[in-house]
Amino acid sequence: GAVVSQHPSWVICKSGTSVKIECRSLDFQATTMFWYRQFPKQSLMLMATSNEGSKATYEQGVEKDKFLINHASLTLSTLTVTSAHPEDSSFYICSGGRQGVIQDEQYFGPGTRLTVT
Amino acid sequence: AQTVTQSQPEMSVQEAETVTLSCTYDTSESDYYLFWYKQPPSRQMILVIRQEAYKQQNATENRFSVNFQKAAKSFSLKISDSQLGDAAMYFCASRDTSGSRLTFGEGTQLTVNP
Repeated sequence: GAVVSQHPSWVICKSGTSVKIECRSLDFQATTMFWYRQFPKQSLMLMATSNEGSKATYEQGVEKDKFLINHASLTLSTLTVTSAHPEDSSFYICSGGRQGVIQDEQYFGPGTRLTVT
Repeated sequence: AQTVTQSQPEMSVQEAETVTLSCTYDTSESDYYLFWYKQPPSRQMILVIRQEAYKQQNATENRFSVNFQKAAKSFSLKISDSQLGDAAMYFCASRDTSGSRLTFGEGTQLTVNP
């Protein structure tokens, strides 16, 4: 199966700083990548969808200037949380999808736990 | 827009027994896909089973099977011979065929008792 990695798996940052999370598709080209946020014991909330070479499409209520998403290549997407605050502490999950493979599912990364102190 | 509802926040089952997790959905699409994902304590999302809406036959994967009732928009997951490793959060999800965006349910936390 297709493999997606995320780095780092866990990060602690101080309030007001920025942190970047990388999402890589290791053995396939992810034409579309998705970023989710998950609070404890809750479901995954889609934050944004990004297509390679295009600007990300953000879900309603997600601040695009705070959560910067870049999808510069078919194997790498990054999420930068700018000016992080304690309320941004959460579990962030990315997934990749392959264009044209209609029956294909999304392939999920292992997630990144962000703690803002 | 699609919606997915899981009405059972928590379920428990004895090891080796069978348990059914419920899911209902709503969509205006005529063709779509339905999924069950498992999220163990590691929090890695794992695809358990997938059902194409145009297929009448219920999908099965070893001990996992679904009861897909298209008219009722119901998509339940049956786990047979439950094992301790089945303990996890289970999410039901839907996706239409025009894109790859997934819509998730609220999740059901499954506990397997030895």
